[in-house]
Amino acid sequence: GENVEQHPSTLSVQEGDSAVIKCTYSDSASNYFPWYKQELGKRPQLIIDIRSNVGEKKDQRIAVTLNKTAKHFSLHITETQPEDSAVYFCAARPPPSNTGKLIFGQGTTLQVKP
Amino acid sequence: NAGVTQTPKFRVLKTGQSMTLLCAQDMNHEYMYWYRQDPGMGLRLIHYSVGEGTTAKGEVPDGYNVSRLKKQNFLLGLESAAPSQTSVYFCASHPVSGTGGYEQYFGPGTRLTVT
Repeated sequence: GENVEQHPSTLSVQEGDSAVIKCTYSDSASNYFPWYKQELGKRPQLIIDIRSNVGEKKDQRIAVTLNKTAKHFSLHITETQPEDSAVYFCAARPPPSNTGKLIFGQGTTLQVKP
Repeated sequence: NAGVTQTPKFRVLKTGQSMTLLCAQDMNHEYMYWYRQDPGMGLRLIHYSVGEGTTAKGEVPDGYNVSRLKKQNFLLGLESAAPSQTSVYFCASHPVSGTGGYEQYFGPGTRLTVT
């Protein structure tokens, strides 16, 4: 089955710096890759996603890139702010896609220091 | 519109006891999921349902059972709780693919401790 590896497990940056989180997946047929943000004590919430027919997607300070050949995708956060501090999860949707199920990475704890 | 709700929010069980976690959604979503979240292990799928009356196993189904008798409710049961089932449990739902994207909407979570 699908396996998603996420790195790093923890990341500390200064406010204003950029942060990059990387994920690799094993099933080349996976076709949807979302990123969720989970603040302390809260539920995960979708922040950005990308489908397999797109190489890059951007939404203000966050962007996601996908390399299907290498089977990896990354989350980029620019101009980080203290409120970006949270746990970030990547995920992949393996076939059959009509189940909608996601396989999540292990999570990255991002700390933005003011 | 409450979204996805979970009952209870917290629970402490003794080994061998049973309990049922309730997930309810008022968004008319077809698909529902149960995950467990443990430190350093992300969110792992326990069971899921693609519609009323259907259920299927996820990555870590052992020790759990589920039922989806009504479209809006998805129940997770622990028949004989074990300390290894101490975790935070999240329910999620999303509409049929293609009708509103693929975002999964999560409930607030249930923190379960088994002693």
